[in-house]
Amino acid sequence: DTEVTQTPKHLVMGMTNKKSLKCEQHMGHRAMYWYKQKAKKPPELMFVYSYEKLSINESVPSRFSPECPNSSLLNLHLHALQPEDSALYLCASSQDSLNTEAFFGQGTRLTVV
Amino acid sequence: GENVEQHPSTLSVQEGDSAVIKCTYSDSASNYFPWYKQELGKGPQLIIDIRSNVGEKKDQRIAVTLNKTAKHFSLHITETQPEDSAVYFCAAPANQAGTALIFGKGTTLSVSS
Repeated sequence: DTEVTQTPKHLVMGMTNKKSLKCEQHMGHRAMYWYKQKAKKPPELMFVYSYEKLSINESVPSRFSPECPNSSLLNLHLHALQPEDSALYLCASSQDSLNTEAFFGQGTRLTVV
Repeated sequence: GENVEQHPSTLSVQEGDSAVIKCTYSDSASNYFPWYKQELGKGPQLIIDIRSNVGEKKDQRIAVTLNKTAKHFSLHITETQPEDSAVYFCAAPANQAGTALIFGKGTTLSVSS
């Protein structure tokens, strides 16, 4: 099973809302990632968690707040987003963070209005 | 950090033809090179990868070749089918610590029947 599950699949939120994206994997992977993908662009790294600790934050604005409650779950809390934050948010996991296969979820299509 | 260039940006072939997508990377220490296929509305799917200790890897109709000296790697799809139509991304480790991936800009492959 190489499945990474993301919920919700679609999300529309206002600029004053607070929402959360969720990601779950049961492959025993110890590294989890958030990527952002704009239309017709490659995925861009936002955050890396390794063994439930935040190891990389690619200078992401504080309106995006990641959380890793346990080794199977990854959340992305959203607050006071801008319309330009509308994108496909992808979660991925890998066995660890050192050059191993990364498996992606289907993504959450976020629209900020 | 690593930089990955991918060509061509679009590729149109007839069903049954072969398709080749090429990527170059900048960091000679990089040692892991995956290829992802992304269909419309879905997350990237790992289709094949190669490590720097081998020069070629095959899986049915797809193959990847690696030239470490020239720092480039290529995806080869033989006997293309309409269902191969998608965006293909090459990737490499973002840095020498191997944490997370940096992606090429993608190639939109269209296979017409």
